[in-house]
Amino acid sequence: KQEVTQIPAALSVPEGENLVLNCSFTDSAIYNLQWFRQDPGKGLTSLLLIQSSQREQTSGRLNASLDKSSGRSTLYIAASQPGDSATYLCAVRTGFQKLVFGTGTRLLVSP
Amino acid sequence: DTGVSQDPRHKITKRGQNVTFRCDPISEHNRLYWYRQTLGQGPEFLTYFQNEAQLEKSRLLSDRFSAERPKGSFSTLEIQRTEQGDSAMYLCASSLYRGHTGELFFGEGSRLTVL
Repeated sequence: KQEVTQIPAALSVPEGENLVLNCSFTDSAIYNLQWFRQDPGKGLTSLLLIQSSQREQTSGRLNASLDKSSGRSTLYIAASQPGDSATYLCAVRTGFQKLVFGTGTRLLVSP
Repeated sequence: DTGVSQDPRHKITKRGQNVTFRCDPISEHNRLYWYRQTLGQGPEFLTYFQNEAQLEKSRLLSDRFSAERPKGSFSTLEIQRTEQGDSAMYLCASSLYRGHTGELFFGEGSRLTVL
């Protein structure tokens, strides 16, 4: 059974810092990995999608990497801003056409 | 493109009542998913449709839950005889099926509180 773990569970940084969020998964047989952002009481916003054949994807200040063989992904956020404060979720797509989610990293960026 | 929309956004009900949630996917998307999220947890898969066919249901989806997607457009998720343990955020997502590579887009969710 696929399990997804995100470390740390919570992170607090001052504005301007670069930071890394970690995601690990137990079964490397995935089709892709998706990073999401969730604001309190809201739905999920897709940030980046990495296919299993890719190593990384970039969007603006965000960069996500994937090491499928070791079951790891990282989300790098450059020059963090207070508006980046949210919960970040990673999810892997298994062969059963569904996403398996981690429990998220709650990020607080203080001005 | 109006994104995935869900209705209602919030629902408060008494235990034993029935509730229904509606999801309108992105118009050209042929796959539609339902997930449930409880406080502090990641979303958990409930069921998904390809067009009007329901292709998989999680063990989380007890007999009190039923989902439909008539004509492959909007979908409804009904919970009968609600229990306090049903309190959660119910999230809908849609995707355009491209083998296993399609990106999922989520709606804002429907929050259910069972008193």
